[in-house]
Amino acid sequence: RKEVEQDPGPFNVPEGATVAFNCTYSNSASQSFFWYRQDCRKEPKLLMSVYSSGNEDGRFTAQLNRASQYISLLIRDSKLSDSATYLCVVGPRGYSTLTFGKGTMLLVSP
Amino acid sequence: DADVTQTPRNRITKTGKRIMLECSQTKGHDRMYWYRQDPGLGLRLIYYSFDVKDINKGEISDGYSVSRQAQAKFSLSLESAIPNQTALYFCATSESDRANTGELFFGEGSRLTVL
Repeated sequence: RKEVEQDPGPFNVPEGATVAFNCTYSNSASQSFFWYRQDCRKEPKLLMSVYSSGNEDGRFTAQLNRASQYISLLIRDSKLSDSATYLCVVGPRGYSTLTFGKGTMLLVSP
Repeated sequence: DADVTQTPRNRITKTGKRIMLECSQTKGHDRMYWYRQDPGLGLRLIYYSFDVKDINKGEISDGYSVSRQAQAKFSLSLESAIPNQTALYFCATSESDRANTGELFFGEGSRLTVL
């Protein structure tokens, strides 16, 4: 089983739609969880951290399920500018080295 | 100016040539990393350094070496480039554990093609 697995997509959604991505991780000792966003041919950038109790940042909601070892990202009211690849990232305590998933591509159309 | 600067941004070279990719940062971070990204394989860690005297191998260090010349500089070398080292290379930095939010700050990437 790969360390961090994501559906590569692409997810094609119209503007205004709600879309959700899941990510599973294999290391039960993982303590740090993040979603990064990467635009085409650009560098990845932190979108949001994922906390045990779940957290929200505007239209974005992240959830963590430790028992099932998965992380989710929900995007509400999708915008054209949300089109990107979303990377699930997992790490040990202290963030020594983070493990990146291969990413899920989102395409938002008018 | 970017906080994490990579040079060159694009490079085409031939098999067997020695290549150096350079990274410099103005963020004052202790930790620096080199990743490569290949289509379908995601980001993979090559080497990382937690301070000037610390160098650690990552997931795919074979065929690569690094040098941490100063807190702000971390270079990646390919001693004898081969075609399967064709990839997009990213340098990244992060704060030390105590202040770390888990955020990696990436350079804009260096696209390397080995013919």
